[in-house]
Amino acid sequence: GAGVSQSPSNKVTEKGKDVELRCDPISGHTALYWYRQSLGQGLEFLIYFQGNSAPDKSGLPSDRFSAERTGGSVSTLTIQRTQQEDSAVYLCASSYRAGRGLRMYNEQFFGPGTRLTVL
Amino acid sequence: AQTVTQSQPEMSVQEAETVTLSCTYDTSESDYYLFWYKQPPSRQMILVIRQEAYKQQNATENRFSVNFQKAAKSFSLKISDSQLGDAAMYFCAYSRWAGNNRKLIWGLGTSLAVNP
Repeated sequence: GAGVSQSPSNKVTEKGKDVELRCDPISGHTALYWYRQSLGQGLEFLIYFQGNSAPDKSGLPSDRFSAERTGGSVSTLTIQRTQQEDSAVYLCASSYRAGRGLRMYNEQFFGPGTRLTVL
Repeated sequence: AQTVTQSQPEMSVQEAETVTLSCTYDTSESDYYLFWYKQPPSRQMILVIRQEAYKQQNATENRFSVNFQKAAKSFSLKISDSQLGDAAMYFCAYSRWAGNNRKLIWGLGTSLAVNP
């Protein structure tokens, strides 16, 4: 079946421009996550959606970053007035809930990421 | 605060040999999940193995197995009969409660090279 897809695969932009990154989750997955991965680093959590709402935006690094999700499906991460330090791979993951109660877990399925380069 | 530590930034192994990647974590929870993810050069993050903390039995998936030591808060990954395709970044992750959902806390990763 289709996995998580992200577009574009690579994006090169000039400092100060706005960019939009898109994520198409696996059909039926209610949760969606955005992460940022800088060169040689681990994953930095940005934002989490449950359906169309974002109960956890704690990882967004500044007000230049925003995200939305429509129809409980596609999500867009927007970075305004890009800076060179925004250069990174942006990963999206979707998940379903398994288990019950305290033993609930969410197995995350990742897209291939968008490599953003800000010149 | 929950943290995940991978103390080996880089590891290497000969093809067909066995290698163990270490991971320790800090938590006050009793029920939680631990994961190992693999990220090859293609950037696609792939789940390798999952361990439920309430299970004493170590998880295994073909050539991949874990040594889960709950009291020591240790969760190492053993790769047996290493293959060239195992070369990748390996990330350990801990699943903790955040509101009404579980959130993954990630280690910084271990880069594994497999030598022919």
